[in-house]
Amino acid sequence: SQTIHQWPATLVQPVGSPLSLECTVEGTSNPNLYWYRQAAGRGLQLLFYSVGIGQISSEVPQNLSASRPQDRQFILSSKKLLLSDSGFYLCAWSRLGYGYTFGSGTRLTVV
Amino acid sequence: DAKTTQPNSMESNEEEPVHLPCNHSTISGTDYIHWYRQLPSQGPEYVIHGLTSNVNNRMASLAIAEDRKSSTLILHRATLRDAAVYYCSTNFGNEKLTFGTGTRLTIIP
Repeated sequence: SQTIHQWPATLVQPVGSPLSLECTVEGTSNPNLYWYRQAAGRGLQLLFYSVGIGQISSEVPQNLSASRPQDRQFILSSKKLLLSDSGFYLCAWSRLGYGYTFGSGTRLTVV
Repeated sequence: DAKTTQPNSMESNEEEPVHLPCNHSTISGTDYIHWYRQLPSQGPEYVIHGLTSNVNNRMASLAIAEDRKSSTLILHRATLRDAAVYYCSTNFGNEKLTFGTGTRLTIIP
């Protein structure tokens, strides 16, 4: 069966510090991968998606970046965090014609 | 991009059916309609998706209008565990889902 792992579950980082969130998928190959962010009390905002290794599409210009170094690994990064980067970050995967499977999320607080 | 619109909130009594509406008036012919739900501090959970015909699974039913410009998620017998934010979304033909603010469903015991 397919599973998705996302870590850490919570993170508190100072303004200006770097960020690295990792997501891995098991049990499938060549999935589409996504990073979403959810601000407190708001809906889901698509940040990045990837249809293959090294292929990243950015939806929202900001100081975040994403990389896909392996087929089932998706990384969200920042060189310098801003207060506005606080939120609930969710990784997801899908295959054509199927629903999305979301990870359990990382709650990031930038202080 | 096409958008989906949903009511901000709805209430329903426990053990009664719930009909959650969604408008997607600019949907194109190859776009799937997806529904997800989210509990506090959790990732969204897949509920159901469909293209043209009505769909049923163990969680819910999806009724799609003939012109595909709207759909309704049907929970046949609501329980307290169904209280969540329900998101309707469409994938715009390229597997990229965008989500609105969803409908917060409250179940009244």
